[in-house]
Amino acid sequence: NAGVTQTPKFQVLKTGQSMTLQCAQDMNHEYMSWYRQDPGMGLRLIHYSVGAGITDQGEVPNGYNVSRSTTEDFPLRLLSAAPSQTSVYFCASSYFRDGTSRRGYTFGSGTRLTVV
Amino acid sequence: KQEVTQIPAALSVPEGENLVLNCSFTDSAIYNLQWFRQDPGKGLTSLLLIQSSQREQTSGRLNASLDKSSGRSTLYIAASQPGDSATYLCAVRTGTASKLTFGTGTRLQVTL
Repeated sequence: NAGVTQTPKFQVLKTGQSMTLQCAQDMNHEYMSWYRQDPGMGLRLIHYSVGAGITDQGEVPNGYNVSRSTTEDFPLRLLSAAPSQTSVYFCASSYFRDGTSRRGYTFGSGTRLTVV
Repeated sequence: KQEVTQIPAALSVPEGENLVLNCSFTDSAIYNLQWFRQDPGKGLTSLLLIQSSQREQTSGRLNASLDKSSGRSTLYIAASQPGDSATYLCAVRTGTASKLTFGTGTRLQVTL
């Protein structure tokens, strides 16, 4: 089924550890992004990409790195995990010129990360 | 900076009632507005997408309207059911980078 796939679904890290959250989409979307969701804060944009080789920072980029080597994949790296990064992470994709697609954003099912 | 507000933050209604959820945004230069549903511990499911040139969209018992000039959208749910219980999120797409900005959501509970 076409969509956005995120792995893993759950992860527990110790402070200072690093890890990569995977995101893949098979809809040939140019635009991909990462959000974190925290109680009372809503969804906040971490990083986004408008195409392969192009990335930019969102609202809360500190502590996270991204790269976009292919259209399909957009991994999110935590270099040195901190308890403040405990959150639910969502990957999303869409056509950049969304006025013609009429489909909007498609979200993955999320990764629940706990940093202890 | 685009800011999105959703009112009320929480709502409880008896089954069968019609209800309206509100969303307002500060920058009217939007590409589109999207309503999502999120069940506890789950991801986001897209309900309706309204392009900036449209006034409303309908899907089954759901109807979303958009007044871009006043920065407002409403989600109307007809004949509510317990299965409609979830958090409803409004998001607008704006800017040269076409980013999505979310409201904090309305938590809906439909009681028997």
